[in-house]
Amino acid sequence: SQKIEQNSEALNIQEGKTATLTCNYTNYSPAYLQWYRQDPGRGPVFLLLIRENEKEKRKERLKVTFDTTLKQSLFHITASQPADSATYLCALVPRSNFGNEKLTFGTGTRLTIIP
Amino acid sequence: DTEVTQTPKHLVMGMTNKKSLKCEQHMGHRAMYWYKQKAKKPPELMFVYSYEKLSINESVPSRFSPECPNSSLLNLHLHALQPEDSALYLCASSQVGGSTKQYFGPGTRLTVL
Repeated sequence: SQKIEQNSEALNIQEGKTATLTCNYTNYSPAYLQWYRQDPGRGPVFLLLIRENEKEKRKERLKVTFDTTLKQSLFHITASQPADSATYLCALVPRSNFGNEKLTFGTGTRLTIIP
Repeated sequence: DTEVTQTPKHLVMGMTNKKSLKCEQHMGHRAMYWYKQKAKKPPELMFVYSYEKLSINESVPSRFSPECPNSSLLNLHLHALQPEDSALYLCASSQVGGSTKQYFGPGTRLTVL
């Protein structure tokens, strides 16, 4: 069966350290993978997108890697701050759905940055 | 304007009521989406509209009826809901085709009594 798993339901990181979140998928051939941030009671906010032929993308303190052999994406927040505390969701679009943008979300990781 | 608005913010309804959720965007996006999100779970896709036509229905019960009256508006009509339908209902929009990001609204918190 198809699965997208973020293997930490909750993650606590000391302020200033790098937070690393993992997204693993099974039985998908993703065209691309996205990461979103969601605060309680709010809609998800887009952070980064990485395509299947890309290995790494960066945006300010954020970095995403994509390994289609391992079927895994890693999301890094460097120099983490308490304001980074939120739930982070990975989401992918399979090649079979490319063009109609059917996003399937992972299980999510609730990140808490401890001052 | 990169905002998706949703009304109402909160809705409480009985199982025999009929109500509607509304979503609006003015970014010129021609794809619009409804998602359902239960507590501590990820959003689950319900419907996708592309160029105002329903392109994906994820086997959603007929008590949920979507409508896209024009390229800026998306409605979700609710009728004879069950308590288990209580959730956060999220609307999103995006450009059509290619690898594009989705813009989400703040959601409507629905409680069915």
